Amino acid sequence: EIVMTQSPATLSVSPGERATLSCRASQSVSSNLAWYQQKPGQAPRLLIYGASTRATGIPARFSGSGSGTEFTLTISSLQSEDFAVYYCQQYNNWPPTYTFGQGTKLEIK
Amino acid sequence: EVQLVESGGGLVQPGGSLRLSCAASGFTVSSNYMSWVRQAPGKGLEWVSVIYSGGSTYYADSVKGRFTISRDNSKNTLYLQMNSLRAEDTAVYYCARDYRTYGGNSFFDYWGQGTLVTVSS
Repeated sequence: EIVMTQSPATLSVSPGERATLSCRASQSVSSNLAWYQQKPGQAPRLLIYGASTRATGIPARFSGSGSGTEFTLTISSLQSEDFAVYYCQQYNNWPPTYTFGQGTKLEIK
Repeated sequence: EVQLVESGGGLVQPGGSLRLSCAASGFTVSSNYMSWVRQAPGKGLEWVSVIYSGGSTYYADSVKGRFTISRDNSKNTLYLQMNSLRAEDTAVYYCARDYRTYGGNSFFDYWGQGTLVTVSS
């Protein structure tokens, strides 16, 4: 079973600054990595897939990078609406399993 | 516009059963892969089950043998039949479209609003 580990658990950043969130896989997932944003009381929203491709309608300040076992989500200039919990997710082809990281809470400093 | 609307959640006693529904609009359920993902109160996301467009089904080990995913093509609706429910199944259950790229990537591009299942005596 592939385990996804996100760090840090909580990240405190001021509006306008850059935020860097990390996700590590216990074994290679190639580029099969997605990032989601979740706000309280809402469903998750897809931000990034294929490790670095922004989903439709996602602002350019969100970017993803990495491959293999190390991945990063960067938010270049934090807006007030960006403070939320972020999850990474990998997909394993066989047997079909999907694993999420435990999440990083991005809070206002 | 793509929309997913879950229903069927509620309070159920341990050992009981519940069936969740997810009505889709804006796309055809049977032509897509569809998953259920759950989130226990205050916790992270956990994938539960997927049904492929061809009808194959797969489950997380935590629910295998107790939950059954299915769909009704005529109603464009996804279901999750949950039997032998346990306290640890308490969660918000989301249905989500499981999009596959030609490159083999898989991710959840559309989500419902979720329905809360509480297992308690």
